[in-house]
Amino acid sequence: EDQVTQSPEALRLQEGESSSLNCSYTVSGLRGLFWYRQDPGKGPEFLFTLYSAGEEKEKERLKATLTKKESFLHITAPKPEDSATYLCAVQASGNTDKLIFGTGTRLQVFP
Amino acid sequence: AAGVIQSPRHLIKEKRETATLKCYPIPRHDTVYWYQQGPGQDPQFLISFYEKMQSDKGSIPDRFSAQQFSDYHSELNMSSLELGDSALYFCASSLEGRRNTGELFFGEGSRLTVL
Repeated sequence: EDQVTQSPEALRLQEGESSSLNCSYTVSGLRGLFWYRQDPGKGPEFLFTLYSAGEEKEKERLKATLTKKESFLHITAPKPEDSATYLCAVQASGNTDKLIFGTGTRLQVFP
Repeated sequence: AAGVIQSPRHLIKEKRETATLKCYPIPRHDTVYWYQQGPGQDPQFLISFYEKMQSDKGSIPDRFSAQQFSDYHSELNMSSLELGDSALYFCASSLEGRRNTGELFFGEGSRLTVL
């Protein structure tokens, strides 16, 4: 069964304290792995797509990496405005629109 | 920039009632997706439409139906509502050619509460 597991469930960081979020996945053929940011009461906001092991993407203080079994979202010198839930999702190969989401990591960054 | 518009934002219904949620995609987007997110849970894929035809189907109950209209807006119809249907319902849109990128644009969601 295709599955996404994210850890930790919650993470509290001091402003400037870098860390990483983990996304482990099992899927019958990976078309793509995606990272989204979700603020409370809002819809997910697209961050990155990764397609193959070894690929990396960066955006401001965020950097996403991918291996054959997991992805990491590295947050460098986070700021309070980075506080949000970060969702990982995978899409299996084949004719499907479905994204399989993890339950997310709730990040809080304190000044 | 225009975003995905969902209405209503909040809806309260009694058990066994019906509800209709509406979604207006970003202009020129031809693909619409519906997701259900329960409290503290991950979004679950319900159904998608491309060019007004059903494209893919997920864990959508038989009590639910959806369609995409000629102006590309979509409606999710829910009947015989149950307490467990209480959730945030998200609509997302994309360009079909971009769906492989996973770059879906989500609306702010419709919060359904079933009493």
